[in-house]
Amino acid sequence: DSGVTQTPKHLITATGQRVTLRCSPRSGDLSVYWYQQSLDQGLQFLIQYYNGEERAKGNILERFSAQQFPDLHSELNLSSLELGDSALYFCASSLTSGSNEKLFFGSGTQLSVL
Amino acid sequence: DAKTTQPPSMDCAEGRAANLPCNHSTISGNEYVYWYRQIHSQGPQYIIHGLKNNETNEMASLIITEDRKSSTLILPHATLRDTAVYYCIVRVAHSSASKIIFGSGTRLSIRP
Repeated sequence: DSGVTQTPKHLITATGQRVTLRCSPRSGDLSVYWYQQSLDQGLQFLIQYYNGEERAKGNILERFSAQQFPDLHSELNLSSLELGDSALYFCASSLTSGSNEKLFFGSGTQLSVL
Repeated sequence: DAKTTQPPSMDCAEGRAANLPCNHSTISGNEYVYWYRQIHSQGPQYIIHGLKNNETNEMASLIITEDRKSSTLILPHATLRDTAVYYCIVRVAHSSASKIIFGSGTRLSIRP
């Protein structure tokens, strides 16, 4: 158990809908990262937050947004969903945002868009 | 950003040492080399990281060449549970942000 909690584990929805994925980092970790992994694809970095502020942005679509709340949990909002958004979404956390920090990953949210 | 190159797949006999290579020829002096692995569709798991010196922990050893342009992850006694995709990552650190980019990784198969 990495200590990172992601909910829900599975989510099935229809095209055009909006969903929210939730991530609770390890106790004490200030930085949260979001990744997308489509079927047989690698992990695509989406966005990183540190102590409530956006710190790095990757290939995140404009239809997607995220935030980190004062209690340090984070939410990834996906809107106007398309079939291609079906993927595993992972959240990771680290103590800080420095380059000497290892990431701890959650078990992911499997999103299926039908 | 420094990029990494790994063989797409490797196999190793159970009980033998698995040596996974990684090239990172454009690495900068202040960039760390990290290794993670992903078993099936689970969340990636941290294995080890290093800057210049070789490192060893309870999971693996990391050998970094003197010029830092390549490294090797060594699993000393591979078991069937080590079957996974192994990612070599160079940690890109900016003043206040850090992108952690995963490549395609190496799919390691351990044969009985």
